[in-house]
Amino acid sequence: GAGVSQSPSNKVTEKGKDVELRCDPISGHTALYWYRQSLGQGLEFLIYFQGNSAPDKSGLPSDRFSAERTGGSVSTLTIQRTQQEDSAVYLCASTLFGNNEKLFFGSGTQLSVL
Amino acid sequence: AQKVTQAQTEISVVEKEDVTLDCVYETRDTTYYLFWYKQPPSGELVFLIRRNSFDEQNEISGRYSWNFQKSTSSFNFTITASQVVDSAVYFCALSDRGDYKLSFGAGTTVTVRA
Repeated sequence: GAGVSQSPSNKVTEKGKDVELRCDPISGHTALYWYRQSLGQGLEFLIYFQGNSAPDKSGLPSDRFSAERTGGSVSTLTIQRTQQEDSAVYLCASTLFGNNEKLFFGSGTQLSVL
Repeated sequence: AQKVTQAQTEISVVEKEDVTLDCVYETRDTTYYLFWYKQPPSGELVFLIRRNSFDEQNEISGRYSWNFQKSTSSFNFTITASQVVDSAVYFCALSDRGDYKLSFGAGTTVTVRA
């Protein structure tokens, strides 16, 4: 596609359930990022992929969070045993090489944990 | 460690007024990149500008202008003759040389009233 695509756009889940968030980056972009935006907060870095590898997972808040990327393209962010504090907008971004370049963002997934 | 501070949480102006958004950053690197992004109500962050640390020329793009002052570690953004469509959250961000991720400020919400 022409831009970064994220699905679902909205997800409501019950506390304790697992959720999967999907990101389809711009074709040919090797670098992919996940950020989290909580209400009224800035963007919090979660994880960075270069190809299928994740050299920096330092932003993942706990071991309930994991992410993978396959085929150097689609990425999935999984949150296990969701908690209410996980409620936020999860934003995905991609860029050609990942070196001081501008990021292209998706519209995000609004996650609400009840 | 990097840090980006946007001290203004919210700014409200009447259409046609000018509005200036402040951004102050901290970095130990001598080579770094500064960015501004706009997040309209639709949620998708839109890239506005990237400036490297060696280029202190001010830049103007239509009604937007940026003032980069290394001496005060600031990269301020001005919208001239604001319009209702300028209503959005604006984020300032920083990345060091060779860094792959952006550190974002908390954002400034701009509301332009007709």
